[in-house]
Amino acid sequence: DAGVTQSPTHLIKTRGQQVTLRCSPKSGHDTVSWYQQALGQGPQFIFQYYEEEERQRGNFPDRFSGHQFPNYSSELNVNALLLGDSALYLCASSSGTGGGQYFGPGTRLTVT
Amino acid sequence: KQEVTQIPAALSVPEGENLVLNCSFTDSAIYNLQWFRQDPGKGLTSLLLIQSSQREQTSGRLNASLDKSSGRSTLYIAASQPGDSATYLCAVTPGAQKLVFGQGTRLTINP
Repeated sequence: DAGVTQSPTHLIKTRGQQVTLRCSPKSGHDTVSWYQQALGQGPQFIFQYYEEEERQRGNFPDRFSGHQFPNYSSELNVNALLLGDSALYLCASSSGTGGGQYFGPGTRLTVT
Repeated sequence: KQEVTQIPAALSVPEGENLVLNCSFTDSAIYNLQWFRQDPGKGLTSLLLIQSSQREQTSGRLNASLDKSSGRSTLYIAASQPGDSATYLCAVTPGAQKLVFGQGTRLTINP
């Protein structure tokens, strides 16, 4: 049973560029959440997708957007990248049964 | 606004010791609490999930307790091993949706 997968593993972008990160949830999960983790900090909630809709959003600007596909996989898009967007981006999946969230390995984004 | 605090920020102990990591949260209205482990540069591994109606959960050498009324949780690790070295994160779910994390405790087990 495959767990949560994310791609790519690492990414280097230049300020002002756009980036797309991808996530496939654990089998049987229908909800995907995205988190940003700066070095030495706990993860911060970006948003959550369920039934292809954004269900809840954290305190992140509109430059951060997402999408969920019918197969429950998800994308995180970040426009007009800033140096401060450099972080580990984590995807987590869950189901509606309250069984907790399960995380992928993350995508390390470096903005230069 | 829910806030989660973990103390200490870092802990170093000799191999074989039993140890306790602490987590506190400001709002007792939580759906559940999870403890995670994170190795450097890696994703999060779920260790234990405690539903709001439960008091504790156990998995192998790990035991987590939850006291909602006081806004506290502890993670007890028995007979620590060098392989337990990692950052341990506590997170609460205010609703059945987002996780709110603490800053983590960086644990080092010395052989």
